[in-house]
Amino acid sequence: EDKVVQSPLSLVVHEGDTVTLNCSYEVTNFRSLLWYKQEKKAPTFLFMLTSSGIEKKSGRLSSILDKKELFSILNITATQTGDSAVYLCAVGRSYNTDKLIFGTGTRLQVFP
Amino acid sequence: GAVVSQHPSWVICKSGTSVKIECRSLDFQATTMFWYRQFPKQSLMLMATSNEGSKATYEQGVEKDKFLINHASLTLSTLTVTSAHPEDSSFYICSARAQTSGGAGTQYFGPGTRLTVL
Repeated sequence: EDKVVQSPLSLVVHEGDTVTLNCSYEVTNFRSLLWYKQEKKAPTFLFMLTSSGIEKKSGRLSSILDKKELFSILNITATQTGDSAVYLCAVGRSYNTDKLIFGTGTRLQVFP
Repeated sequence: GAVVSQHPSWVICKSGTSVKIECRSLDFQATTMFWYRQFPKQSLMLMATSNEGSKATYEQGVEKDKFLINHASLTLSTLTVTSAHPEDSSFYICSARAQTSGGAGTQYFGPGTRLTVL
C-alpha cells in the first residue's frame, strides 16, 4: 500500500531557530514530491521536486529529494512566527499523474 | 494567477438536508478538479476526481450516491452532500489542475468549506 510518512508530527521552536521537516514515502511509480503549507485554510504550494539532489530554495525555505532513500526534507532557517502552520508532503504517481497521496503533516509552532 | 475559489466558506445545516459546495477556477481552465476532506488534525483525504464532461471517479470507501459531483464546465465543479449527517461534518477542499500545466501535482487549492451538520 502506498504511504507517505512525515516526522515529527509536531514541533515547537523559538523565533530564529532552524527546523528540518522530514517526509518519507513508499509509493509505486513515483513521479514527484510536493510540499505545501497549510495555515487556517487550504494548503498553499511551496515546492515540487522530481529529481534527486537538486535543492529548491525560496527565501528561508529549501527542500531536497533523495529518490534512492525515498525521502525529502524541508528546511526553514531563521524561523518567524508567521512560519507557524502545518506542513504537508504529498507524492504524485506517474501512472495517474493527477492524484496526490498526502502525509499527515508536521505541525510547526514558532514562538517569539 | 491560478486562483481557485470555493463557496460557501462555512455552512451549518440540519441533519437530513443536502448541501452544495461550489469550486471555481477563476483565471484558468481546469479539466480536472479534486475533492478532498480533512478532519481535525488529520491530513487531506482524496474523495473523488472530477473530470469535465464525464462522471467523477470516487476513491474507495466514498459513497458516490451520498457525495454527488458535477463538473459541468472547465471552471466549475460542485459537490453535493446529500442527506447530511453529523459525521459528514468536516473541512472540504477542492483543487484544480490547470489545463496547460505540465506534470503531476500542479494543483491549486481552494480556500475550503467548513461543513457543520447539527
